[in-house]
Amino acid sequence: EVQLVESGGGLVKPGGSLRLSCAASGFTFSNAWMTWVRQAPGKGLEWIGRIKSKTDGGTTDYAEPVKGRFTISRDDSKNTLYLQMNSLETEDTAVYYCATSATINTIVVVIAYWGQGTLVTASS
Amino acid sequence: SYELTQPPSVSMSPGQTARITCSGDALPKKYAYWYQQKSGQAPVLVIYDDSKRPSGIPERFSGSTSGTMATLTISGAQVEDEADYYCYSTDSSGNHGVFGTGTKVTVL
Repeated sequence: EVQLVESGGGLVKPGGSLRLSCAASGFTFSNAWMTWVRQAPGKGLEWIGRIKSKTDGGTTDYAEPVKGRFTISRDDSKNTLYLQMNSLETEDTAVYYCATSATINTIVVVIAYWGQGTLVTASS
Repeated sequence: SYELTQPPSVSMSPGQTARITCSGDALPKKYAYWYQQKSGQAPVLVIYDDSKRPSGIPERFSGSTSGTMATLTISGAQVEDEADYYCYSTDSSGNHGVFGTGTKVTVL
């Protein structure tokens, strides 16, 4: 069974930093493309960015609102995904979800399974 | 930046058919995906590659596309289908994902 467990959320002052982790199990993490998605209170889903598997280049792409402030990385030896968030703004307050790709009936679906999310609050 | 537009809300009585649309310029070339999010829960994939249904998703959920519009259809809606629904796709480069604005489905 695919399991994704996010951690590291909490209260941080604007301008501060925070690192989120996503512990993965139940699938071959090193082969997966991993994605971070966030949801501000009462708002819709927002794609933040994605990291490919190392065999596919390990490259990252980011949404414009977080580009240059957020960094996605992975440690395949620990089956863990990270999101380093710097220069946090009040607008970054949200539940942050990690999600994994999966092969469904021979088709690779980039966002197939989700964790339960971790809340980040940027406030003074 | 690229956007996917959905109606804010759809409501219906149990047993009726609901159609949720998602409009985006790149949809003729990029697949659409649909996610269901019930209150306080993480999203769940209900449709992938425009029209395919993962195992465990009821047959009343179906997807289709035509030009710049993708559609999620719930045939014979049940009370348990009340949720927010989001479409997802990528921009024309394929490198940046984007979620639709979301549609709140009410079954009453």
